[in-house]
Amino acid sequence: GENVEQHPSTLSVQEGDSAVIKCTYSDSASNYFPWYKQELGKRPQLIIDIRSNVGEKKDQRIAVTLNKTAKHFSLHITETQPEDSAVYFCAASKESGGYQKVTFGTGTKLQVIP
Amino acid sequence: DAGITQSPRHKVTETGTPVTLRCHQTENHRYMYWYRQDPGHGLRLIHYSYGVKDTDKGEVSDGYSVSRSKTEDFLLTLESATSSQTSVYFCATNTGGREYLDGNEQFFGPGTRLTVL
Repeated sequence: GENVEQHPSTLSVQEGDSAVIKCTYSDSASNYFPWYKQELGKRPQLIIDIRSNVGEKKDQRIAVTLNKTAKHFSLHITETQPEDSAVYFCAASKESGGYQKVTFGTGTKLQVIP
Repeated sequence: DAGITQSPRHKVTETGTPVTLRCHQTENHRYMYWYRQDPGHGLRLIHYSYGVKDTDKGEVSDGYSVSRSKTEDFLLTLESATSSQTSVYFCATNTGGREYLDGNEQFFGPGTRLTVL
């Protein structure tokens, strides 16, 4: 089955610096890659996603890149702010038996130091 | 928050007792999921449903059963709770639709923290 590895598990950055979180996946059939943000004690929420036919997507300070050949994708957060502090999960998804099978990474705890 | 609620939000129970967690959605989403979240493991799929009375197993289904008698409700049952089932449980939904199999957003409930002593 699909295996998604996520690094680093924890990341501390100074406010205003950039943060990069990297994920790799194993199943070349995966074609959708969402990123979820989970604040402490809250539910995960989608912040950005990318499909396999796109190499890069940007939404204000957040961007995601995808390298299908190498089977890795990354989340980039620029000009980090304290409210960016949270756990971030990557995921890889594919159609399997009529449903969307989503495999999550183990999460990255991002701390933005004011 | 896509109108997804979970109950109870917190529960402490003893080993060997049955436990049922409820997920309720008001969005008429076709697909519903139960995940467990544990440190170092991320979110792992327990069971999912693709319609009323249509359910299937996920990657960590042992010791769990589910039922979906109405579109809006998805129940997760631990028949005989064990300490290894101490976790935070999240329900999620997905609209389905044309983009579903190409991948689209899952909406999560607020979670249930279950402690099995």
